[in-house]
Amino acid sequence: AQKVTQAQTEISVVEKEDVTLDCVYETRDTTYYLFWYKQPPSGELVFLIRRNSFDEQNEISGRYSWNFQKSTSSFNFTITASQVVDSAVYFCALRTGGSYIPTFGRGTSLIVHP
Amino acid sequence: GAGVSQSPSNKVTEKGKDVELRCDPISGHTALYWYRQSLGQGLEFLIYFQGNSAPDKSGLPSDRFSAERTGGSVSTLTIQRTQQEDSAVYLCASSEPWGANTGELFFGEGSRLTVL
Repeated sequence: AQKVTQAQTEISVVEKEDVTLDCVYETRDTTYYLFWYKQPPSGELVFLIRRNSFDEQNEISGRYSWNFQKSTSSFNFTITASQVVDSAVYFCALRTGGSYIPTFGRGTSLIVHP
Repeated sequence: GAGVSQSPSNKVTEKGKDVELRCDPISGHTALYWYRQSLGQGLEFLIYFQGNSAPDKSGLPSDRFSAERTGGSVSTLTIQRTQQEDSAVYLCASSEPWGANTGELFFGEGSRLTVL
């Protein structure tokens, strides 16, 4: 069985603060893929990043960075110098190598105040 | 259009009525998914299609729910005898053939269903 836990239901920050969204996953598979998606108020989920289980290298894309740690089964997402446009619900997802079905966490609602 | 298209965007119906939700995936995407998003519940998997066949229907919550896909393209999710607990946003997503991509899903904007 596979499971994704996003313990933070809602986070509220003021613009320019850094914020980290937590994602903890469970799987017995050795091959798996982790994803982050963003759902802005308009509703459409948008893919942000994918990581496979063999690549623990952290990634940075502009103000976004991702920290993948197999030792703690975590794939955390940090936004540096947050902006109002970052306000959205962020979902972490897991797909194991033997399945075509991604499992999503419950999402974390990020509110960035001006 | 270039993206996943869903219709209707909003549907209000009375308890006991049947509803049909439509999804038009991105051209060439052989994989198609239906998820349900309820308030505070995240994304609940309903059904997965590969081409016209549905190898995984494990997420359909009851036999009132069914889905089909024709021509390897458009999919219809049907809910019979709707109940108030069916109220949710129904999301459709499509993906390129497995092995050809990263496994990224492309989502539509969803169909918001309200059962009175």
